[in-house]
Amino acid sequence: DSGVTQTPKHLITATGQRVTLRCSPRSGDLSVYWYQQSLDQGLQFLIQYYNGEERAKGNILERFSAQQFPDLHSELNLSSLELGDSALYFCASRPGPFGELFFGEGSRLTVL
Amino acid sequence: AQKITQTQPGMFVQEKEAVTLDCTYDTSDQSYGLFWYKQPSSGEMIFLIYQGSYDEQNATEGRYSLNFQKARKSANLVISASQLGDSAMYFCATVFGNEKLTFGTGTRLTIIP
Repeated sequence: DSGVTQTPKHLITATGQRVTLRCSPRSGDLSVYWYQQSLDQGLQFLIQYYNGEERAKGNILERFSAQQFPDLHSELNLSSLELGDSALYFCASRPGPFGELFFGEGSRLTVL
Repeated sequence: AQKITQTQPGMFVQEKEAVTLDCTYDTSDQSYGLFWYKQPSSGEMIFLIYQGSYDEQNATEGRYSLNFQKARKSANLVISASQLGDSAMYFCATVFGNEKLTFGTGTRLTIIP
C-alpha cells in the first residue's frame, strides 16, 4: 500500500459525460501528479500541483481540469468525454519536488 | 529535448536466469534522477529502484540493481534470479531538473517456467 488513495477504482460512463476522479496523497506529501495511461501505452504526464498551486502542465486536454485543495487532496475533472479518454488515470504524490513518486492504484475509466 | 528510451518492447526469460532491461536517456542536465517502476497485470505502479546522477555507486534493492553508466547515458535494470512473479511491464523514468517524472514506453517481461 503506497498510501495514495484514488477513487473511484472503476468508472463506466457514456460519451459526452463528465466525471471527477479523486486523489488523497500520502500524509504530508505536498506534490500531487496526474498521469494518463491508455491501453498498452506508457504514462503520459497530465499535470502537477504543489501545495495547492499548479506547478507543471503536460499533455492535458482543454476538456480536462484539475485542482488541489487546502487539505492537499486533488481532483481531476474530465468533461465532454470521448471514447479515446478511456484509460487508467494515476495519481501520485511525493513529499517535495524531488524523489520517489508514490502511485495510487489508479482509476480505470471506460467511456462507451 | 530531454528524452528517455526503452528499446525492448518485450522479453522472454527463463525462470532463475538474470535479466537486463535497457534504458537510455538524453539530457544536458548535470543533476537528474533515474527510476524503475514495475506494473503487474493488476495495474498498480510499484517503485523498484532509484539512482541519482551524482551517486557513484550503482543502486541495489534486493534482487534489483541499476547498472548506471553515466557517460553512455544508460540506466539498465538488472533482475537477478528471476521469478514467475517478475512477469510485468517495467518502466524506466527520469526527472531532469524540472520536477515531473517522464516515463519510457516500457518493456513487457515474461518469465517462463
